[in-house]
Amino acid sequence: QVQLVESGGGLVEPGGSLRLSCAASGVTFSDYYMSWIRQAPGKGLEWVSYISSSAGTIYYADSVKGRFTISRDTAKNSLYLQMNSLRAEDTAVYYCARGRAGGYFDLWGRGTLVTVSS
Amino acid sequence: EIVLTQSPGTLSLSPGERATLSCRASQSVSSSNLAWYQQIPGQAPRLLISGASSRATGIPDRFSGSGSGTDFTLTISRLEPEDFAVYYCQQYGNSPIFTFGPGTKVDIK
Repeated sequence: QVQLVESGGGLVEPGGSLRLSCAASGVTFSDYYMSWIRQAPGKGLEWVSYISSSAGTIYYADSVKGRFTISRDTAKNSLYLQMNSLRAEDTAVYYCARGRAGGYFDLWGRGTLVTVSS
Repeated sequence: EIVLTQSPGTLSLSPGERATLSCRASQSVSSSNLAWYQQIPGQAPRLLISGASSRATGIPDRFSGSGSGTDFTLTISRLEPEDFAVYYCQQYGNSPIFTFGPGTKVDIK
């Protein structure tokens, strides 16, 4: 079954860190670029970060630049998001998504909730 | 930065009716880089349309996309009960390389 499964979310205090993981199954992970996309409670979708299939190109939204780091491990079919210096406004469900040529996302995980609060 | 605006914010319709959702870009967007997603509460978004008008695998033909330049439209020809959801448009371009519109909620009248 083709799927993406996120993990690693939870409650963290402002200034803290978390590492999210996204495990891919049933798909040749290395063929695709990947992104993290988040959704604050009751809000819309916000793209967070992009990593190319080779990991040679990486982009971040301005809101997370310098604090978040995206990476991937092809051998483990996994995508990661290291989140440091977390703020209350980072509270959201974080989705990993598979990207396709043309800039759209055709496969999404179910998301993992990150709550930043003291 | 390209900003996407969706209208209306909420669309109240009955099953069987036609829904027309608008997505307007602040600058011209390549049609090949415009997509639409459906999100049912509590679920992840689902790709409906890519390249402005190409239905994704398994999407019923009551969903159609059109438009070019700065104006794009998602049409649901006859609403089914499972279509009541939030719909987002999304573009791929320059920094930030991916942007989403704020969404249109289609709810039951």
